[in-house]
Parts: sequence; structure tokens; C-alpha cells
Amino acid sequence: DQQVKQNSPSLSVQEGRISILNCDYTNSMFDYFLWYKKYPAEGPTFLISISSIKDKNEDGRFTVFLNKSAKHLSLHIVPSQPGDSAVYFCAAQLMYSGGGADGLTFGKGTHLIIQP
Amino acid sequence: DTEVTQTPKHLVMGMTNKKSLKCEQHMGHRAMYWYKQKAKKPPELMFVYSYEKLSINESVPSRFSPECPNSSLLNLHLHALQPEDSALYLCASSQEDSYNSPLHFGNGTRLTVT
Repeated sequence: DQQVKQNSPSLSVQEGRISILNCDYTNSMFDYFLWYKKYPAEGPTFLISISSIKDKNEDGRFTVFLNKSAKHLSLHIVPSQPGDSAVYFCAAQLMYSGGGADGLTFGKGTHLIIQP
Repeated sequence: DTEVTQTPKHLVMGMTNKKSLKCEQHMGHRAMYWYKQKAKKPPELMFVYSYEKLSINESVPSRFSPECPNSSLLNLHLHALQPEDSALYLCASSQEDSYNSPLHFGNGTRLTVT
């Protein structure tokens, strides 16, 4: 059973508009959430994260929103640029108080295509 | 149960020791990754192997030496580490190094350098 779900395999957005990528999770014990971006032939690279004690984290054009009651998070990219075309993975992690953590649980990814 | 198995789960080593971290997957995946994660920080990519060849080295110090003996195994050899190298080391694999290949992560090795 998938604990992290990205229900949209692909998303097409016009350049300059807002891209919204969604992610749902089922394990209420997750307390750290991350978004990774992946280009072909490259390893996934970290984009932005959010701890469960927050509901929003912003970094430049990227904002992640967390709705714990709905077990839902989303990544907003505004304005969208051609270089944003990539696969975006949502990931969740259970952090231990001692600083350790379980491995990441990833969604299957959403392929974002930015159209000129 | 994770499909990517990492051993050992915990490792304590001195700065003069030589040790190895191991990662194994039997999903037929052709891309394998090493990540390093410090407490309360996101994982950082270290190495990517694609079809058993090193394709990405994210400027990792030479005291970390990866090895991919075959398509199912990935090792990380450690030598002369520093205390600041203490972290959670995560291995991951994907079907191929391309679009829409979800990552499968192991549960990591918790490394402490004394």
C-alpha cells in the first residue's frame, strides 16, 4: 500500500503561470516532508522541505503547503519557467527525537511540462 | 519491509578505521544512489551509478569511495572519516535513470565517527 501518493503522473502548465503539484500521505506519523526534482540522466536533487510543525515554507519561486488534518501537501511554483520541466517527487520521513530517521518514502512522481 | 536493504543499520567507527556500507536490491533496477542525511536536514545526493557506472559524483571527499560490484549491489567504502561525517547514509535505487522512475530508499545506516 502506497503511503505517499502523487495522483497526477503528469501536469502541463503554461510558462509564467502557477504550477501546483499535489501529494497525499496516509501515515500520520510522518513529520518531515520533502520535494525533489529530477532531470533525465541526473540524480534527484532536493528542492524544498517542510516540518510538520509548520504549514508553509517558501523559498524563492517555490512554496510548499502542508495540511496535516487532510494529510496533504502541495508545491507551488510561480512563475513557472521552462527550466522547471522535470519530474517532481514528494517524499515523507519519520524523524526520531534523537536525530535519526527512517528512510524516505517517495511518491511516484509528477512529470511537469512547462509550455512556452 | 523495504526492498532496498542496507547493512549495517548502525556503525560506530574511529577516524583511523576502514569500514564499508552495503546496499542491495533485487528489483532489477539499473540506477543506484548514495545519499547523506544530517539530523533535521534533507538528504543530500552523493553518488549516482547508472548501469554499474559512476555517473554523478557530487564533489564528495575522497575518504568516501563508492563501488558497484554488480547491478544489485552498491558499496560505500569509508576511510579516515571525520566526526562531522556522522550522519544517516541512505541508499536508493530506481528502474532507470530517467523520467518517471520512482526512487526506492533503504532505511539507512546510522554512522557515528568518534
